[in-house]
Amino acid sequence: DAKTTQPPSMDCAEGRAANLPCNHSTISGNEYVYWYRQIHSQGPQYIIHGLKNNETNEMASLIITEDRKSSTLILPHATLRDTAVYYCIVREGFGNEKLTFGTGTRLTIIP
Amino acid sequence: SAVISQKPSRDICQRGTSLTIQCQVDSQVTMMFWYRQQPGQSLTLIATANQGSEATYESGFVIDKFPISRPNLTFSTLTVSNMSPEDSSIYLCSVEGVRGTEAFFGQGTRLTVV
Repeated sequence: DAKTTQPPSMDCAEGRAANLPCNHSTISGNEYVYWYRQIHSQGPQYIIHGLKNNETNEMASLIITEDRKSSTLILPHATLRDTAVYYCIVREGFGNEKLTFGTGTRLTIIP
Repeated sequence: SAVISQKPSRDICQRGTSLTIQCQVDSQVTMMFWYRQQPGQSLTLIATANQGSEATYESGFVIDKFPISRPNLTFSTLTVSNMSPEDSSIYLCSVEGVRGTEAFFGQGTRLTVV
């Protein structure tokens, strides 16, 4: 079973920041938080990952709470192309580990 | 990054027949993963394929139904055998990147069984 809980759907206005929450209250010390998204009719795409520090890359920012029981993915300036299903996944370590997908959050960007 | 090519991209098949899906990667990888995505659902791992050994199947998936080949470090096939309409899904292959920090997915094979 997936170790994460996400809201099933969210809307966000184009140009605004999209904040996607994820609960992972049973995360263990060596597990990372990963975010992927799946745009309609495509394979999932990696977005970002982190262990305990906040992370930022060209696509998004990841904010992890101090107790690591929850996190938030932030898309700073959402565009229509960000409409997708976003998956929050916890997994152990690096390399050749399978991904256990939950139900994800369907994010719709509103023009 | 890793570029993954899946064939076919889609197919419509008669029940009782089998379909073999190919997955080609542009670099050598240790493990390849096969996922199924049923209509409106999330992804579920079918099996992990290592080169030179038998695939490891997840609970609910068996080799007779989903035989997998892994002849080399850049290629794998998944066969969906004796298909029924319940097998209508998107099948995706995935590999881990060189850095080991992210997975890459093919575009998927959309299978419809009639």
